[in-house]
Amino acid sequence: QLHLQESGPGLVKPSETLSLTCSVSGDSISGSNKYWGWIRQSPGKGLEWIGSFFYSGGTYYNPSLKSRGSISVDTSKNQFFLRLTSVTAADTGVYYCVRQTPPLVLTAFDLWGQGARVSVSS
Amino acid sequence: QSVLTQPPSVSEAPGQRVTISCTGNNSNLGVGHDVQWYQQFPGTAPKLLISGDNNRPSGVPDRFSGSKSGTSASLAISGLQPEDEAEYFCQSYDSTLKTVVFGGGTRLTVL
Repeated sequence: QLHLQESGPGLVKPSETLSLTCSVSGDSISGSNKYWGWIRQSPGKGLEWIGSFFYSGGTYYNPSLKSRGSISVDTSKNQFFLRLTSVTAADTGVYYCVRQTPPLVLTAFDLWGQGARVSVSS
Repeated sequence: QSVLTQPPSVSEAPGQRVTISCTGNNSNLGVGHDVQWYQQFPGTAPKLLISGDNNRPSGVPDRFSGSKSGTSASLAISGLQPEDEAEYFCQSYDSTLKTVVFGGGTRLTVL
C-alpha cells in the first residue's frame, strides 16, 4: 500500500537546523518515474512548495528559501530527507512529504504524507 | 499574498452547483501551465482532486470538474453533498518565479 510518513523533531530552536525524514512504502524512490518532495503549510503563508527531486535527475528548490533548504535521499532505506537551516518563527508549520508527477512545470502532487507539525521556538 | 487568487469562501445549498475560481497571470496559467485542485479537510493532508486542468484521479466522483481559460481556472462541484464541505486549493507553476505556486484556498460551506 502506498504510504508516505514524515518523522522528526516537533520543536526546533531559532537559528538551528530543521531535519525531517520521509519514509516511503509501496513505491520505489529510485525505480519510480516520479518526483519526490516537500511542501509546508502555515496559517500565514498557506501552502508553500519547498523543493523536489527526481532520482535520476536534478533537485529543485523554491527560490524564496534562499538556499536554506536541501533534500537528500537514502535509496537503501527508501527514505528522503529535508534540512532547513537558520530557521525562524516563520518556518513554523506542518511539513508534508509528497510524491509528484513529472515534469516540474506540469507537476501534480498525487500522494501526501499525513504531515509533521514543526514549531520554531526557544 | 498568494500568486494564485481564490475567493476565501463560498457557500451553497445541498444538491446545487458551486464554482471556485483561481486567477493567475501570464507567468503561470496564462502560458498554459497545468492547474491542479486539492481538497483538504481539517487536520488532514490535501488530496489531489483534479490534475492537468480537468482530469480526475481514480476514485474522485465525476461531480467534480475543472476548466481553464486564459489566466483563470475554475473548479465546479455539482450535486453538492454535506461531505464536500472542505477547503479547496488550486496549484500551478510560475515561469517567472521559477516555483510551484498555490492559491490561498477557498472554504466551501454546504448550507
